[in-house]
This record gives sequence, structure tokens and C-alpha cells, in this order.
Amino acid sequence: DAGITQSPRYKITETGRQVTLMCHQTWSHSYMFWYRQDLGHGLRLIYYSAAADITDKGEVPDGYVVSRSKTENFPLTLESATRSQTSVYFCASSAQRGNQETQYFGPGTRLLVL
Amino acid sequence: AQSVTQLGSHVSVSEGALVLLRCNYSSSVPPYLFWYVQYPNQGLQLLLKYTTGATLVKGINGFEAEFKKSETSFHLTKPSAHMSDAAEYFCACNSGGGADGLTFGKGTHLIIQP
Repeated sequence: DAGITQSPRYKITETGRQVTLMCHQTWSHSYMFWYRQDLGHGLRLIYYSAAADITDKGEVPDGYVVSRSKTENFPLTLESATRSQTSVYFCASSAQRGNQETQYFGPGTRLLVL
Repeated sequence: AQSVTQLGSHVSVSEGALVLLRCNYSSSVPPYLFWYVQYPNQGLQLLLKYTTGATLVKGINGFEAEFKKSETSFHLTKPSAHMSDAAEYFCACNSGGGADGLTFGKGTHLIIQP
């Protein structure tokens, strides 16, 4: 049972470069989420998706782009990376719509922007 | 708008002592509340959640939390700390409509002293 995986686990890039973080889940969950984790801020929602081809902004979407052509994949792209985007990025998924639904998290991607 | 406040960025207890991690929420509608645990270099794992019904919720690894509407609190407790409980703990809330994602507190780092 692979669950939810993220790749790469670690990434170093330079300011201005485009970076794509991958997220893949094997549960066929409808909902998927991207969060970033920063010291002193906890986790903050970047984007989420209710189904294939349906995405919406979260709390901190600026500088990020998402797509969801297949239910199981939800890539996050930094079009032109900035130092402020150095963070740990977590992907999550949940089975159904509803505030009480549990979100299941991937292991995270540590991104360093130089 | 909803928000979550975790009192104490670091909590230190002795092995075998009571663990108490505090969480207060602010929400205009009845929230659904979650506690997640994060071990070093790992993703978040659900400890327990409150949706409706019984206000005392039991979770994994001997943890429990009590929803107190009058105090807008959802504190996490464990009667006897174990060294393996050392981790980062996040309280989260979801009271928005649909798949708006979770609102997280900033986290509490639990330190267990031998």
C-alpha cells in the first residue's frame, strides 16, 4: 500500500529557476492539497483540488501553479523560484468532501532556493 | 475566518509524567478539530479528531483530547509520557465549507526528559 508519495524528497535550486514538486496517491482520493511548512507558521495551504481539472487557491498561492490532469497526481510548480519559497512542502489527500474528513499527508519535500 | 492557537512552542516533560498540549480555536461555526503528530523528517500523522458527538476523543498511542465549546479549547493529553512521544504536534481546524483545507496552529515541540 504505497499511499501518498512525494518526489523529490530534497531539492536545491537557484533563484529564478522553475521547479516542479510531484505528488502521487494510490487511494483514488478525490481531494488533494498542497501545504508549506515554515518555522513559526505551522502549515499553510497553498492550493487544493476537489477533482481532476478542478483546483482552487488557498491561503498563500502567489508564485505557485498547480494542475491536476489525473486524479492520482497533483504537481506543484514554482514558476520562478524565490528565496522566500525555501520551505518544506507537504501534499495531502482526503477521500471525500467534508470538513470532518481526515487528510493524509505525504513525507514532504525539502526545498532550498539559493 | 478560523484560527488555531497553540500555547507553548516547546513543552518539556519527564518520562512517565502527564503530557498536556494546549490548543484553542476561533471559529464562527462549530469546527471540526484535529491533532496531528510529526516525527523528524516525516509527514504528519493523525492522532485523533473531533467531529460530533462525544466530546472526549481517544486517539492512537494513548492520547486523548476533550472538546470544550465554552472554552473554545481542544487540549491534548496523555497520562504517562514515553520517550517515543518526542515529536512536533499540530492542532488543526476545519470549519470552512467544502474542501478548503485545514487551518493549523504553529505547532508544539514535545521534549521528553529521561
